[in-house]
Amino acid sequence: GESVGLHLPTLSVQEGDNSIINCAYSNSASDYFIWYKQESGKGPQFIIDIRSNMDKRQGQRVTVLLNKTVKHLSLQIAATQPGDSAVYFCAENEIQGAQKLVFGQGTRLTINP
Amino acid sequence: DAGVTQSPTHLIKTRGQQVTLRCSPKSGHDTVSWYQQALGQGPQFIFQYYEEEERQRGNFPDRFSGHQFPNYSSELNVNALLLGDSALYLCASTRQGGNYGYTFGSGTRLTVV
Repeated sequence: GESVGLHLPTLSVQEGDNSIINCAYSNSASDYFIWYKQESGKGPQFIIDIRSNMDKRQGQRVTVLLNKTVKHLSLQIAATQPGDSAVYFCAENEIQGAQKLVFGQGTRLTINP
Repeated sequence: DAGVTQSPTHLIKTRGQQVTLRCSPKSGHDTVSWYQQALGQGPQFIFQYYEEEERQRGNFPDRFSGHQFPNYSSELNVNALLLGDSALYLCASTRQGGNYGYTFGSGTRLTVV
């Protein structure tokens, strides 16, 4: 069945360090991927996205890497700050297909001072 | 520019009752999707509305129904509530033919007792 999973449910890093959150997806037809950040009591907040015709995309302090060969997605956050503490979800979508996001379970990132 | 707004923010209902949740999409968006997020899980797609019609549906029973109005706002209705329907209900909007980004609201926390 379709699923987007994450390898690590929790991740703790020291403030200022870099963090990497991983995600595996199973639908080979997915061609659009998004990382969301969700803080307690709030809805998912868009961080960065990538289409399947790319293997890397950079934003401000964040980088998403896509490896279609092994169906793997990662989010790198540089120089982590206390405000980065949240649950991070990857989601996949078929642009010409079902137009629904399939989310993974999420990784809780904790930034230690 | 207002984002996605949802009401109410919290709701407590008794098993067997019916509930209606409301969503106003982000300005310029014409498509609304609903997601159910159980505690500690990623959001699960319920259905999507565009041009006042249900376009896509996830694996949810017919107790879950919706509506989209001419101003693009939407309602989610759940009949015969079960304890397992307790969750955060998220609304996400996008624009057809746009960059496929989805903006989420902060959700409605439904508790069924």
